[in-house]
Amino acid sequence: DAGVIQSPRHEVTEMGQEVTLRCKPISGHDYLFWYRQTMMQGLELLVYFNNKAVMDDSGMPKDRFSAKMPNASFSTLKIQPSEPRDSAVYFCASSSSGGSREQYFGPGTRLTVT
Amino acid sequence: KNEVEQSPQNLTAQEGEFITINCSYSVGISALHWLQQHPGGGIVSLFMLSSGKKKHGRLIATINIQEKHSSLHITASHPRDSAVYICAVYGGATNKLIFGTGTLLAVQP
Repeated sequence: DAGVIQSPRHEVTEMGQEVTLRCKPISGHDYLFWYRQTMMQGLELLVYFNNKAVMDDSGMPKDRFSAKMPNASFSTLKIQPSEPRDSAVYFCASSSSGGSREQYFGPGTRLTVT
Repeated sequence: KNEVEQSPQNLTAQEGEFITINCSYSVGISALHWLQQHPGGGIVSLFMLSSGKKKHGRLIATINIQEKHSSLHITASHPRDSAVYICAVYGGATNKLIFGTGTLLAVQP
């Protein structure tokens, strides 16, 4: 299995621009999580899905962030408009309700907003 | 006070030493994750456990549910073990992980 796939791996954009991060979970996993990691805050859960439905997005700034999962093998996290404080590494992870609930993380997307 | 506390925050060891990283939590949990992150790298799941002890190679993880405490041990440490080790718990019946702040381990040759 290829594991969790994220793209792009690096993104540099200017303040005010729209940014879209992409994630492909492990095949057969029904949970998908989006995390943000910064030096100051560590790892934070932004949103998670179960069977494509949003289960909890309480950690996600609703004014500029949006997350979608149009099908079981693809999810996006969109930031519009982006701000310098959004600079972070964004991780996607997936897990299976039929297994141990162990989460498998993607390689992350390093976002820099100038 | 964080719901998941790790100690120490930073640890320097000599190659070959036995290493212990501790994790204490204040919430009821259904399972606990130990994660590893190399500098600038991705996050790898080392263990997920809800009771007892697990072993994988030189790594051993234990959990005491009654005492709300888990330990990660590394035997015969090696410089390639240098990384941040993160403890994370599933609070109750939720699927949300609560993360500790991590332990930065440096193993010197």
